[in-house]
Amino acid sequence: EAGVAQSPRYKIIEKRQSVAFWCNPISGHATLYWYQQILGQGPKLLIQFQNNGVVDDSQLPKDRFSAERLKGVDSTLKIQPAKLEDSAVYLCASSAQGNTEAFFGQGTRLTVV
Amino acid sequence: GEDVEQSLFLSVREGDSSVINCTYTDSSSTYLYWYKQEPGAGLQLLTYIFSNMDMKQDQRLTVLLNKKDKHLSLRIADTQTGDSAIYFCAEGRDDKIIFGKGTRLHILP
Repeated sequence: EAGVAQSPRYKIIEKRQSVAFWCNPISGHATLYWYQQILGQGPKLLIQFQNNGVVDDSQLPKDRFSAERLKGVDSTLKIQPAKLEDSAVYLCASSAQGNTEAFFGQGTRLTVV
Repeated sequence: GEDVEQSLFLSVREGDSSVINCTYTDSSSTYLYWYKQEPGAGLQLLTYIFSNMDMKQDQRLTVLLNKKDKHLSLRIADTQTGDSAIYFCAEGRDDKIIFGKGTRLHILP
């Protein structure tokens, strides 16, 4: 069974630039999560989708972050414009049902300079 | 992650048992999880326990849950160098998974 795929693995951008991350969840998984993991901290939930609908985006900085999950499969997370404090690893995860076993991708490490 | 608390570091001698502790705050949590993260890698689910269970054992791993005290622990028997990683405690509630800050396990020779 293929795991959660994310790309790119690494990205370096200058502040005020835009960046987009892509996630392909495990086939058939209805729930998709985006987490932000700042160095030395645990993952923080940014947004959760159930199929193509948003379940929770209370922690998403909506002035600069946006996410979509068209057709309830792949998802993209965008930051526009980026700030230095956005430097982190962005993790995507999926699960067959919310609140049970979630599988994580390897993450995208973003460095904003 | 403020609702899930863990100590940040633990050092254990190779061959000894490691015990990583965690406290959480929401008694309505349905599942409690332990994830492992090795350097540069994503999160790997090690084990999880339903909130109506007290204990779960899986090979070298033993999870203990004290729901009254909202305390979760992970015991790794016969700790090996390959167990060196960051271990995250997480609680599942309202279809969300909330993580602690992680405990870095260091193995001493």
